Amino acid sequence: DAKTTQPNSMESNEEEPVHLPCNHSTISGTDYIHWYRQLPSQGPEYVIHGLTSNVNNRMASLAIAEDRKSSTLILHRATLRDAAVYYCILSWEYGNKLVFGAGTILRVKS
Amino acid sequence: ETGVTQSPTHLIKTRGQQVTLRCSSQSGHNTVSWYQQALGQGPQFIFQYYREEENGRGNFPPRFSGLQFPNYSSELNVNALELDDSALYLCASSFPSSGYNEQFFGPGTRLTVL
Repeated sequence: DAKTTQPNSMESNEEEPVHLPCNHSTISGTDYIHWYRQLPSQGPEYVIHGLTSNVNNRMASLAIAEDRKSSTLILHRATLRDAAVYYCILSWEYGNKLVFGAGTILRVKS
Repeated sequence: ETGVTQSPTHLIKTRGQQVTLRCSSQSGHNTVSWYQQALGQGPQFIFQYYREEENGRGNFPPRFSGLQFPNYSSELNVNALELDDSALYLCASSFPSSGYNEQFFGPGTRLTVL
Protein backbone atom coordinates (compact mmCIF):
# COMPACT_ATOMS: atom_id res chain seq x y z
CA ASP A 1 0.00 0.00 0.00
CA ALA A 2 1.19 3.49 -0.85
CA LYS A 3 2.31 5.60 2.09
CA THR A 4 1.15 9.03 3.17
CA THR A 5 3.00 11.79 5.02
CA GLN A 6 1.16 14.13 7.37
CA PRO A 7 2.35 16.70 9.91
CA ASN A 8 2.38 15.33 13.44
CA SER A 9 0.18 18.11 14.80
CA MET A 10 -1.58 21.34 13.89
CA GLU A 11 -3.38 24.01 15.83
CA SER A 12 -6.34 26.14 14.82
CA ASN A 13 -8.55 28.80 16.31
CA GLU A 14 -12.24 28.12 16.70
CA GLU A 15 -14.46 29.36 13.85
CA GLU A 16 -11.47 29.61 11.48
CA PRO A 17 -10.78 27.36 8.46
CA VAL A 18 -8.27 24.54 8.82
CA HIS A 19 -6.20 23.05 6.01
CA LEU A 20 -4.75 19.63 6.79
CA PRO A 21 -2.11 18.56 4.23
CA CYS A 22 -1.21 15.07 3.10
CA ASN A 23 1.61 14.03 0.77
CA HIS A 24 1.32 10.79 -1.17
CA SER A 25 3.97 10.97 -3.87
CA THR A 26 3.82 7.20 -4.59
CA ILE A 27 0.08 7.12 -5.20
CA SER A 28 -1.02 4.82 -8.02
CA GLY A 29 -3.67 5.54 -10.57
CA THR A 30 -6.20 3.30 -8.87
CA ASP A 31 -5.68 4.55 -5.30
CA TYR A 32 -8.51 6.44 -3.66
CA ILE A 33 -7.71 9.09 -1.03
CA HIS A 34 -9.68 8.62 2.18
CA TRP A 35 -9.86 10.75 5.29
CA TYR A 36 -10.99 9.45 8.65
CA ARG A 37 -10.79 11.13 12.03
CA GLN A 38 -10.63 9.76 15.53
CA LEU A 39 -12.06 11.79 18.38
CA PRO A 40 -10.71 11.13 21.88
CA SER A 41 -11.79 7.76 23.28
CA GLN A 42 -13.71 6.82 20.13
CA GLY A 43 -13.17 4.69 17.05
CA PRO A 44 -12.32 6.40 13.77
CA GLU A 45 -15.12 7.93 11.71
CA TYR A 46 -15.34 8.59 7.98
CA VAL A 47 -14.85 12.16 6.83
CA ILE A 48 -14.51 12.22 3.04
CA HIS A 49 -12.92 10.45 0.08
CA GLY A 50 -11.95 11.22 -3.51
CA LEU A 51 -10.09 9.98 -6.56
CA THR A 52 -9.18 12.87 -8.85
CA SER A 53 -11.68 15.70 -8.48
CA ASN A 54 -12.20 17.95 -5.50
CA VAL A 55 -15.02 16.79 -3.24
CA ASN A 56 -17.37 18.50 -0.81
CA ASN A 57 -19.68 17.08 1.82
CA ARG A 58 -21.39 18.34 4.95
CA MET A 59 -18.29 17.75 7.08
CA ALA A 60 -15.42 18.95 4.92
CA SER A 61 -13.88 19.54 1.51
CA LEU A 62 -11.10 17.56 -0.12
CA ALA A 63 -8.77 19.33 -2.53
CA ILE A 64 -6.66 17.00 -4.66
CA ALA A 65 -3.60 18.23 -6.54
CA GLU A 66 -3.65 17.83 -10.30
CA ASP A 67 -0.80 15.28 -10.19
CA ARG A 68 -2.53 13.54 -7.23
CA LYS A 69 0.70 13.52 -5.23
CA SER A 70 -0.83 15.57 -2.46
CA SER A 71 -4.22 16.49 -1.05
CA THR A 72 -5.68 18.82 1.55
CA LEU A 73 -8.59 18.27 3.89
CA ILE A 74 -10.40 21.54 4.54
CA LEU A 75 -12.59 22.14 7.58
CA HIS A 76 -14.36 25.38 6.75
CA ARG A 77 -15.05 26.52 10.32
CA ALA A 78 -13.28 24.57 13.03
CA THR A 79 -15.16 23.91 16.24
CA LEU A 80 -13.94 22.42 19.52
CA ARG A 81 -15.66 19.19 18.47
CA ASP A 82 -13.28 18.93 15.51
CA ALA A 83 -10.29 18.35 17.80
CA ALA A 84 -9.18 14.86 16.78
CA VAL A 85 -6.53 12.81 15.00
CA TYR A 86 -7.03 13.07 11.23
CA TYR A 87 -5.84 10.21 9.06
CA CYS A 88 -5.12 10.44 5.34
CA ILE A 89 -5.28 6.95 3.79
CA LEU A 90 -4.67 5.55 0.33
CA SER A 91 -6.41 2.41 -0.77
CA TRP A 92 -7.24 0.88 -4.12
CA GLU A 93 -10.06 -0.95 -2.41
CA TYR A 94 -13.07 1.33 -2.52
CA GLY A 95 -13.10 2.19 1.21
CA ASN A 96 -12.15 -1.31 2.26
CA LYS A 97 -9.20 -2.68 4.30
CA LEU A 98 -7.79 0.67 5.30
CA VAL A 99 -4.07 1.14 6.06
CA PHE A 100 -3.72 3.99 8.54
CA GLY A 101 -0.61 6.08 9.17
CA ALA A 102 0.13 8.06 12.32
CA GLY A 103 -2.21 10.92 11.38
CA THR A 104 -2.27 14.61 12.35
CA ILE A 105 -3.37 15.69 15.81
CA LEU A 106 -5.58 18.75 15.37
CA ARG A 107 -5.96 21.03 18.36
CA VAL A 108 -8.66 23.72 18.30
CA LYS A 109 -8.36 26.73 20.58
CA SER A 110 -11.34 28.70 21.80
CA GLU B 1 -30.41 1.83 14.18
CA THR B 2 -27.80 0.36 16.55
CA GLY B 3 -24.17 1.19 15.84
CA VAL B 4 -21.17 -1.10 16.17
CA THR B 5 -20.72 -2.41 19.70
CA GLN B 6 -17.75 -4.20 21.24
CA SER B 7 -17.21 -6.15 24.43
CA PRO B 8 -15.62 -6.07 26.84
CA THR B 9 -14.58 -2.43 27.14
CA HIS B 10 -11.38 -3.24 29.00
CA LEU B 11 -9.51 -6.46 29.64
CA ILE B 12 -6.35 -7.41 31.51
CA LYS B 13 -4.55 -10.65 30.72
CA THR B 14 -1.15 -12.12 31.44
CA ARG B 15 1.46 -13.19 28.93
CA GLY B 16 0.76 -16.60 27.39
CA GLN B 17 -3.00 -16.48 27.99
CA GLN B 18 -5.69 -16.48 25.33
CA VAL B 19 -8.34 -13.79 24.79
CA THR B 20 -11.60 -13.46 22.86
CA LEU B 21 -13.00 -10.09 21.87
CA ARG B 22 -16.50 -9.62 20.50
CA CYS B 23 -18.09 -7.28 18.00
CA SER B 24 -21.69 -6.73 16.93
CA SER B 25 -21.90 -5.11 13.54
CA GLN B 26 -24.24 -2.32 12.58
CA SER B 27 -27.66 -3.48 11.45
CA GLY B 28 -27.63 -4.63 7.82
CA HIS B 29 -23.82 -4.85 7.58
CA ASN B 30 -22.35 -8.19 6.45
CA THR B 31 -18.65 -7.34 6.62
CA VAL B 32 -16.52 -6.96 9.73
CA SER B 33 -12.91 -5.80 9.89
CA TRP B 34 -10.62 -5.88 12.90
CA TYR B 35 -7.84 -3.37 13.61
CA GLN B 36 -5.15 -3.13 16.29
CA GLN B 37 -4.20 0.33 17.54
CA ALA B 38 -1.10 0.64 19.70
CA LEU B 39 -0.78 3.72 21.88
CA GLY B 40 0.04 6.81 19.83
CA GLN B 41 -0.24 5.03 16.49
CA GLY B 42 -2.87 4.63 13.80
CA PRO B 43 -4.99 1.48 13.57
CA GLN B 44 -3.43 -1.49 11.77
CA PHE B 45 -5.62 -3.84 9.71
CA ILE B 46 -5.69 -7.38 11.13
CA PHE B 47 -8.27 -9.14 8.94
CA GLN B 48 -11.74 -8.92 7.48
CA TYR B 49 -14.69 -11.28 7.41
CA TYR B 50 -17.33 -11.21 4.71
CA ARG B 51 -20.31 -13.54 4.95
CA GLU B 52 -18.52 -15.76 7.50
CA GLU B 53 -15.35 -16.19 5.38
CA GLU B 54 -11.99 -14.50 5.90
CA ASN B 55 -11.61 -11.92 3.15
CA GLY B 56 -8.13 -10.50 3.47
CA ARG B 57 -5.52 -10.36 6.19
CA GLY B 58 -2.90 -7.86 7.27
CA ASN B 59 0.60 -8.60 8.55
CA PHE B 60 -0.39 -10.44 11.73
CA PRO B 61 0.69 -13.95 12.85
CA PRO B 62 -1.67 -16.94 12.83
CA ARG B 63 -2.20 -16.70 16.58
CA PHE B 64 -4.61 -13.88 15.64
CA SER B 65 -7.73 -15.60 14.38
CA GLY B 66 -11.35 -14.74 13.94
CA LEU B 67 -14.87 -15.90 13.34
CA GLN B 68 -17.97 -14.39 11.86
CA PHE B 69 -21.38 -15.76 12.78
CA PRO B 70 -24.57 -16.04 10.66
CA ASN B 71 -25.90 -12.84 12.28
CA TYR B 72 -22.63 -11.16 11.10
CA SER B 73 -21.31 -10.56 14.60
CA SER B 74 -17.65 -11.45 14.98
CA GLU B 75 -14.96 -12.59 17.38
CA LEU B 76 -11.25 -11.90 17.45
CA ASN B 77 -9.15 -14.54 19.21
CA VAL B 78 -5.55 -14.05 20.20
CA ASN B 79 -3.54 -17.01 21.51
CA ALA B 80 -0.27 -17.00 23.44
CA LEU B 81 -0.55 -13.34 24.36
CA GLU B 82 2.60 -11.23 24.24
CA LEU B 83 3.29 -7.91 25.94
CA ASP B 84 3.22 -6.17 22.54
CA ASP B 85 -0.38 -7.28 22.05
CA SER B 86 -1.41 -4.58 24.51
CA ALA B 87 -3.48 -2.22 22.40
CA LEU B 88 -6.94 -0.92 21.54
CA TYR B 89 -8.73 -3.43 19.32
CA LEU B 90 -11.22 -1.86 16.95
CA CYS B 91 -13.95 -3.52 15.00
CA ALA B 92 -15.50 -1.91 11.92
CA SER B 93 -18.54 -3.03 9.97
CA SER B 94 -19.57 -2.19 6.45
CA PHE B 95 -21.89 -3.21 3.65
CA PRO B 96 -20.03 -3.56 0.38
CA SER B 97 -22.12 -2.41 -2.50
CA SER B 98 -21.63 -0.61 -5.77
CA GLY B 99 -21.18 2.53 -3.70
CA TYR B 100 -18.51 3.59 -1.25
CA ASN B 101 -17.56 1.02 1.39
CA GLU B 102 -17.59 3.30 4.44
CA GLN B 103 -16.28 1.66 7.57
CA PHE B 104 -18.26 2.18 10.78
CA PHE B 105 -16.05 1.69 13.82
CA GLY B 106 -16.94 0.61 17.32
CA PRO B 107 -15.43 2.22 20.43
CA GLY B 108 -12.87 -0.56 20.83
CA THR B 109 -11.67 -2.97 23.50
CA ARG B 110 -8.61 -1.93 25.49
CA LEU B 111 -6.44 -5.01 26.09
CA THR B 112 -3.58 -4.89 28.58
CA VAL B 113 -1.13 -7.79 28.71
CA LEU B 114 0.99 -8.03 31.86
